[in-house]
Amino acid sequence: QVHLVQSGAEVRKPGASVKLSCKASGYTFTNYFMHWVRQAPGQGLEWMGIINPSSGNTTYAQKFQGRVTMTGDASTSTFFMEMSSLTSEDTAVYYCAREWLRLILYYWGQGALVTVSS
Amino acid sequence: DIQMTQSPSSLSASLGDRVTISCRANQGIDNYVAWFQQRPGKVPNLLIYATSTLQSGVPSRFSGSGSGTDFTLTISGLQPEDVATYYCQNFKSVPLTFGGGTKVEIK
Repeated sequence: QVHLVQSGAEVRKPGASVKLSCKASGYTFTNYFMHWVRQAPGQGLEWMGIINPSSGNTTYAQKFQGRVTMTGDASTSTFFMEMSSLTSEDTAVYYCAREWLRLILYYWGQGALVTVSS
Repeated sequence: DIQMTQSPSSLSASLGDRVTISCRANQGIDNYVAWFQQRPGKVPNLLIYATSTLQSGVPSRFSGSGSGTDFTLTISGLQPEDVATYYCQNFKSVPLTFGGGTKVEIK
């Protein structure tokens, strides 16, 4: 069965960067696109971007372009999401979510809380 | 970007009630709508995709309808385990966009 296991909670100061991981198992890594979605405390879901693990091609939400980098490592079946220039508004739970059918998010990681505070 | 607007933002209903949540897209998206349930402190769970197709394992009291720009999620007979926030999502194209959520509580 499909499992997505994310790295743990992180605390960063404003201006810093964070790199989160999402280890996939139970399926062929290169066969399914992976998305990242975040959720600020008490707020809704916000899509951040998508990566094609076969090609490495990415598409980011305009809001995050230039500040987010999504990558994948097929040798370890692990996806990464790195965000720079963090502000308090980036405090959120960050999820990786795998497609089941085209652009339909079915499998979700457990989430990783990123807290940005001075 | 396609904007998804949900209403109401919250509701309170009695056990057994029929609950309806609306979602409107600012442009036509055919049937490319999914609905998610997020229980407190939990990960989002896919309930319905392609407007009305129930994901495997989802109780039949959940149903979806609509097309174009207007979509509805219905819970026919509210149960205690349905307390959650529900989100619609456009999956016609990236960027994927979510509605603001509807928090469902028991009266």
